[in-house]
Amino acid sequence: GESVGLHLPTLSVQEGDNSIINCAYSNSASDYFIWYKQESGKGPQFIIDIRSNMDKRQGQRVTVLLNKTVKHLSLQIAATQPGDSAVYFCAENIKDWSNDYKLSFGAGTTVTVRA
Amino acid sequence: DGGITQSPKYLFRKEGQNVTLSCEQNLNHDAMYWYRQDPGQGLRLIYYSQIVNDFQKGDIAEGYSVSREKKESFPLTVTSAQKNPTAFYLCASSFGGLADTYEQYFGPGTRLTVT
Repeated sequence: GESVGLHLPTLSVQEGDNSIINCAYSNSASDYFIWYKQESGKGPQFIIDIRSNMDKRQGQRVTVLLNKTVKHLSLQIAATQPGDSAVYFCAENIKDWSNDYKLSFGAGTTVTVRA
Repeated sequence: DGGITQSPKYLFRKEGQNVTLSCEQNLNHDAMYWYRQDPGQGLRLIYYSQIVNDFQKGDIAEGYSVSREKKESFPLTVTSAQKNPTAFYLCASSFGGLADTYEQYFGPGTRLTVT
């Protein structure tokens, strides 16, 4: 089946270092991708999105890279801080049988920042 | 403040009882969604609604029901037919209709425990 997945379930990062979280997707027709951050016991929070006509998009301390050739998405966090500790999900926008668009989520990567 | 509210934050029920989870948004979004999240897993779509008085089943709709009588509200009922109802339930909303791709905004979630 077609799904969105993450390469690693956990990532431990030293405070101040850069973090890279990876995501693979299999639906070549997907045209929109989102990264969410979820802190414990809370709902996911939007971080950054990217459309398929772009390769890179930057936000505040975050960069998303999209490689359509190998169907790979990554989230880079610069100068990781303790507040960045959370679960990170990538989501892929797919069209279902009724032509409605839905988000398909990966299982998530838990990022732990070491002091 | 604009946003999505879910109530209650924690809910406890006995097995065999139906329970309704509330979701309200004042973002003027057309589309609303219900997801289920189990420990260590990603989000799975239960139901979604693109417009008032219309909704579609997601990937795991069995044992759940919804209604969309108002644009602002999308309550989810977990029925006694749901075999494993204990989970964290997330409501989301977004702009756009059937052919649009927009980020989804999430509520804080309701943790349901059924014993």
